[in-house]
Amino acid sequence: DTAVSQTPKYLVTQMGNDKSIKCEQNLGHDTMYWYKQDSKKFLKIMFSYNNKELIINETVPNRFSPKSPDKAHLNLHINSLELGDSAVYFCASRLLGGGHEQYFGPGTRLTVT
Amino acid sequence: AQTVTQSQPEMSVQEAETVTLSCTYDTSENNYYLFWYKQPPSRQMILVIRQEAYKQQNATENRFSVNFQKAAKSFSLKISDSQLGDTAMYFCAFIPEGAQKLVFGQGTRLTINP
Repeated sequence: DTAVSQTPKYLVTQMGNDKSIKCEQNLGHDTMYWYKQDSKKFLKIMFSYNNKELIINETVPNRFSPKSPDKAHLNLHINSLELGDSAVYFCASRLLGGGHEQYFGPGTRLTVT
Repeated sequence: AQTVTQSQPEMSVQEAETVTLSCTYDTSENNYYLFWYKQPPSRQMILVIRQEAYKQQNATENRFSVNFQKAAKSFSLKISDSQLGDTAMYFCAFIPEGAQKLVFGQGTRLTINP
Protein backbone atom coordinates (compact mmCIF):
# COMPACT_ATOMS: atom_id res chain seq x y z
CA ASP A 1 0.00 0.00 0.00
CA THR A 2 2.97 2.29 -0.69
CA ALA A 3 1.78 5.83 -1.34
CA VAL A 4 4.72 7.27 -3.30
CA SER A 5 7.30 4.81 -4.59
CA GLN A 6 10.59 5.34 -6.39
CA THR A 7 12.88 2.98 -8.24
CA PRO A 8 15.67 2.37 -7.81
CA LYS A 9 16.49 3.31 -4.21
CA TYR A 10 20.21 3.22 -4.88
CA LEU A 11 22.00 3.96 -8.12
CA VAL A 12 25.76 3.86 -8.60
CA THR A 13 27.08 4.74 -12.01
CA GLN A 14 30.05 6.21 -13.79
CA MET A 15 30.49 9.69 -15.19
CA GLY A 16 29.09 10.13 -18.65
CA ASN A 17 26.39 7.49 -18.32
CA ASP A 18 22.66 8.08 -18.78
CA LYS A 19 20.24 6.91 -16.08
CA SER A 20 16.56 7.14 -15.18
CA ILE A 21 14.64 7.24 -11.91
CA LYS A 22 10.97 6.31 -11.82
CA CYS A 23 8.24 7.52 -9.49
CA GLU A 24 4.68 6.36 -9.00
CA GLN A 25 1.96 7.51 -6.60
CA ASN A 26 -1.31 5.78 -5.75
CA LEU A 27 -2.80 8.64 -3.74
CA GLY A 28 -4.96 9.98 -6.56
CA HIS A 29 -2.91 13.18 -6.60
CA ASP A 30 -2.65 15.32 -9.71
CA THR A 31 0.65 17.09 -9.10
CA MET A 32 4.09 15.54 -8.78
CA TYR A 33 7.55 16.93 -8.03
CA TRP A 34 11.23 16.13 -8.21
CA TYR A 35 13.54 17.45 -5.49
CA LYS A 36 17.29 17.20 -5.10
CA GLN A 37 18.82 16.90 -1.62
CA ASP A 38 22.52 17.68 -1.51
CA SER A 39 25.16 16.50 0.93
CA LYS A 40 24.24 19.31 3.34
CA LYS A 41 20.64 18.05 3.37
CA PHE A 42 19.33 21.13 1.58
CA LEU A 43 16.18 20.35 -0.42
CA LYS A 44 15.79 22.07 -3.76
CA ILE A 45 12.85 21.72 -6.11
CA MET A 46 13.69 20.79 -9.67
CA PHE A 47 10.46 20.13 -11.56
CA SER A 48 6.73 19.82 -11.09
CA TYR A 49 3.98 18.39 -13.27
CA ASN A 50 0.25 18.86 -12.96
CA ASN A 51 -1.84 16.40 -14.96
CA LYS A 52 1.11 15.65 -17.25
CA GLU A 53 1.81 19.36 -17.84
CA LEU A 54 5.12 20.89 -16.73
CA ILE A 55 4.39 23.73 -14.30
CA ILE A 56 7.72 24.24 -12.52
CA ASN A 57 11.09 24.08 -14.22
CA GLU A 58 13.79 25.47 -11.97
CA THR A 59 17.30 26.31 -13.12
CA VAL A 60 18.37 22.77 -13.84
CA PRO A 61 20.89 21.67 -16.49
CA ASN A 62 19.36 20.46 -19.73
CA ARG A 63 20.84 17.07 -19.01
CA PHE A 64 17.89 16.54 -16.66
CA SER A 65 14.63 15.74 -18.42
CA PRO A 66 11.44 14.87 -16.59
CA LYS A 67 8.60 12.98 -18.21
CA SER A 68 5.09 12.36 -16.96
CA PRO A 69 3.23 9.70 -18.96
CA ASP A 70 0.16 10.14 -16.75
CA LYS A 71 -0.69 11.95 -13.53
CA ALA A 72 0.34 8.98 -11.39
CA HIS A 73 3.86 8.70 -12.81
CA LEU A 74 6.81 11.05 -13.07
CA ASN A 75 10.19 9.93 -14.31
CA LEU A 76 13.55 11.68 -14.32
CA HIS A 77 16.13 10.98 -16.98
CA ILE A 78 19.67 12.26 -16.58
CA ASN A 79 22.11 12.36 -19.47
CA SER A 80 25.90 12.52 -19.30
CA LEU A 81 26.07 12.15 -15.53
CA GLU A 82 28.59 14.30 -13.66
CA LEU A 83 30.15 13.95 -10.20
CA GLY A 84 28.07 16.91 -8.98
CA ASP A 85 24.88 15.03 -9.75
CA SER A 86 25.53 12.77 -6.78
CA ALA A 87 22.68 13.43 -4.35
CA VAL A 88 19.41 12.02 -3.08
CA TYR A 89 16.51 12.62 -5.44
CA PHE A 90 13.01 12.71 -4.00
CA CYS A 91 9.71 12.42 -5.76
CA ALA A 92 6.68 13.98 -4.10
CA SER A 93 3.01 14.43 -4.88
CA ARG A 94 0.03 16.51 -3.78
CA LEU A 95 -3.52 17.27 -4.74
CA LEU A 96 -4.02 20.77 -6.13
CA GLY A 97 -6.72 22.54 -4.19
CA GLY A 98 -6.14 20.29 -1.22
CA GLY A 99 -4.23 21.01 1.97
CA HIS A 100 -1.00 21.93 0.17
CA GLU A 101 0.99 19.20 1.92
CA GLN A 102 3.27 17.07 -0.20
CA TYR A 103 3.94 13.37 0.32
CA PHE A 104 7.39 12.11 -0.45
CA GLY A 105 8.81 8.93 -1.87
CA PRO A 106 11.67 7.08 -0.15
CA GLY A 107 14.32 8.84 -2.22
CA THR A 108 16.92 7.58 -4.68
CA ARG A 109 20.55 7.90 -3.66
CA LEU A 110 22.53 8.54 -6.83
CA THR A 111 26.30 8.15 -6.66
CA VAL A 112 28.35 9.11 -9.67
CA THR A 113 31.93 7.82 -9.69
CA ALA B 1 10.97 36.00 -1.98
CA GLN B 2 9.78 33.74 0.79
CA THR B 3 12.43 32.31 3.08
CA VAL B 4 12.40 29.84 5.95
CA THR B 5 15.07 29.91 8.63
CA GLN B 6 15.89 27.24 11.15
CA SER B 7 18.47 28.74 13.47
CA GLN B 8 19.45 25.53 15.27
CA PRO B 9 21.61 23.30 13.06
CA GLU B 10 21.82 20.63 15.77
CA MET B 11 20.11 19.79 19.03
CA SER B 12 20.51 16.99 21.51
CA VAL B 13 18.32 15.99 24.46
CA GLN B 14 17.81 13.03 26.76
CA GLU B 15 15.04 10.56 26.20
CA ALA B 16 11.70 11.60 27.79
CA GLU B 17 12.64 15.29 27.79
CA THR B 18 10.71 17.96 25.91
CA VAL B 19 12.45 19.74 23.06
CA THR B 20 11.46 22.73 20.94
CA LEU B 21 12.73 23.34 17.43
CA SER B 22 12.62 26.88 16.07
CA CYS B 23 11.48 28.08 12.67
CA THR B 24 10.90 31.58 11.34
CA TYR B 25 9.73 32.58 7.91
CA ASP B 26 9.47 35.69 5.84
CA THR B 27 6.47 36.41 3.63
CA SER B 28 4.09 39.16 2.64
CA GLU B 29 1.29 36.66 2.07
CA ASN B 30 -1.65 36.49 4.44
CA ASN B 31 -2.87 32.98 3.69
CA TYR B 32 -0.38 30.14 3.75
CA TYR B 33 0.44 26.73 5.16
CA LEU B 34 3.29 25.60 7.38
CA PHE B 35 4.64 22.11 7.87
CA TRP B 36 7.18 20.16 9.81
CA TYR B 37 8.77 17.17 8.10
CA LYS B 38 10.91 14.53 9.77
CA GLN B 39 13.74 12.75 7.98
CA PRO B 40 15.12 9.84 10.03
CA PRO B 41 18.31 8.01 9.05
CA SER B 42 16.22 5.91 6.68
CA ARG B 43 15.98 9.23 4.69
CA GLN B 44 12.22 8.96 4.21
CA MET B 45 10.57 12.40 4.43
CA ILE B 46 7.63 12.10 6.79
CA LEU B 47 4.99 14.78 7.33
CA VAL B 48 4.76 15.40 11.07
CA ILE B 49 2.30 18.26 11.41
CA ARG B 50 0.61 21.02 9.42
CA GLN B 51 -0.79 24.43 10.28
CA GLU B 52 -3.04 26.72 8.27
CA ALA B 53 -2.24 30.39 8.80
CA TYR B 54 -5.90 31.36 9.08
CA LYS B 55 -6.38 29.04 12.05
CA GLN B 56 -5.44 30.57 15.38
CA GLN B 57 -5.47 27.25 17.19
CA ASN B 58 -2.10 25.54 17.30
CA ALA B 59 -1.99 22.13 15.63
CA THR B 60 -1.21 19.02 17.68
CA GLU B 61 -0.48 15.44 16.69
CA ASN B 62 0.03 13.19 19.70
CA ARG B 63 3.40 14.18 21.23
CA PHE B 64 4.00 16.83 18.56
CA SER B 65 2.60 20.33 18.81
CA VAL B 66 3.37 23.70 17.31
CA ASN B 67 3.51 27.24 18.60
CA PHE B 68 2.34 29.36 15.69
CA GLN B 69 2.87 33.09 16.13
CA LYS B 70 1.62 34.71 12.93
CA ALA B 71 2.61 38.28 13.78
CA ALA B 72 6.12 37.17 14.69
CA LYS B 73 6.25 34.80 11.70
CA SER B 74 7.35 32.01 13.98
CA PHE B 75 6.42 28.32 13.82
CA SER B 76 8.18 26.20 16.44
CA LEU B 77 7.76 22.46 16.95
CA LYS B 78 7.54 20.98 20.43
CA ILE B 79 8.19 17.29 20.96
CA SER B 80 7.02 16.04 24.34
CA ASP B 81 8.27 12.87 26.04
CA SER B 82 10.92 12.47 23.35
CA GLN B 83 11.75 8.98 22.18
CA LEU B 84 14.82 7.44 20.56
CA GLY B 85 12.81 7.11 17.35
CA ASP B 86 12.47 10.89 17.19
CA THR B 87 16.14 11.12 16.23
CA ALA B 88 16.07 12.69 12.77
CA MET B 89 16.52 15.80 10.67
CA TYR B 90 13.52 18.09 11.02
CA PHE B 91 12.57 20.47 8.26
CA CYS B 92 10.21 23.41 8.51
CA ALA B 93 8.39 24.22 5.25
CA PHE B 94 6.13 27.00 4.00
CA ILE B 95 3.81 27.44 1.03
CA PRO B 96 1.47 30.32 0.23
CA GLU B 97 -2.15 29.56 -0.55
CA GLY B 98 -2.48 28.50 -4.18
CA ALA B 99 1.27 28.28 -4.77
CA GLN B 100 3.14 25.31 -6.16
CA LYS B 101 6.51 25.41 -4.39
CA LEU B 102 7.26 24.33 -0.86
CA VAL B 103 10.04 26.42 0.64
CA PHE B 104 12.16 24.46 3.08
CA GLY B 105 14.39 25.56 5.92
CA GLN B 106 17.93 24.28 6.27
CA GLY B 107 16.92 21.61 8.75
CA THR B 108 17.71 20.84 12.40
CA ARG B 109 19.47 17.61 13.29
CA LEU B 110 17.86 16.30 16.50
CA THR B 111 19.45 13.54 18.51
CA ILE B 112 17.62 11.82 21.35
CA ASN B 113 20.06 10.21 23.77
CA PRO B 114 19.19 7.17 25.92
